Amino acid sequence: DTEVTQTPKHLVMGMTNKKSLKCEQHMGHRAMYWYKQKAKKPPELMFVYSYEKLSINESVPSRFSPECPNSSLLNLHLHALQPEDSALYLCASSQAAELSYEQYFGPGTRLTVT
Amino acid sequence: GQNIDQPTEMTATEGAIVQINCTYQTSGFNGLFWYQQHAGEAPTFLSYNVLDGLEEKGRFSSFLSRSKGYSYLLLKELQMKDSASYLCAVSTDRGSTLGRLYFGRGTQLTVWP
Repeated sequence: DTEVTQTPKHLVMGMTNKKSLKCEQHMGHRAMYWYKQKAKKPPELMFVYSYEKLSINESVPSRFSPECPNSSLLNLHLHALQPEDSALYLCASSQAAELSYEQYFGPGTRLTVT
Repeated sequence: GQNIDQPTEMTATEGAIVQINCTYQTSGFNGLFWYQQHAGEAPTFLSYNVLDGLEEKGRFSSFLSRSKGYSYLLLKELQMKDSASYLCAVSTDRGSTLGRLYFGRGTQLTVWP
């Protein structure tokens, strides 16, 4: 099983809403990532979790709050977002963050902030 | 800073061969990845090079020259389904945290019949 799953597939939320994005992998990977991707742009790294600990935070605004409840799950909690936060949010996983293993990406959540 | 450069767009004909170039200047180097991304979908892994030379995988090959900061992805016997964005990504070390990917802006390849 080389699949990373993400829910929901699409999300529309207002600027005052609180919502969460979910990501799951069952490949035994110990590194998980959140990326943000705008149309026709490359993915931009937001967060890296290594062995369930936050390893990298790329100066992401606090309205995005990641959580790694266990080695298979990764959440991204959203609160008070801005319209410019509308994007495709990709989750990825790899065997470990310490070495250059390929990252497996989930299908993404397309987020629209109104 | 990290700089990864690749052409924005390329076009080719079905059955042809196309080469997508990528040049990079990064602080630290731990390997170079190529990903394919169809519109609205997630990137999928194509290849990984960490040593100089050519890696071949079916219709796709990838080349790396570390001294020149240069890589290319070669696609042979092009098919319509190869129309996609091709992302070059460099893995750098960052003190004790390795494996962070820096992506190029992607090359949108259009294959015509």
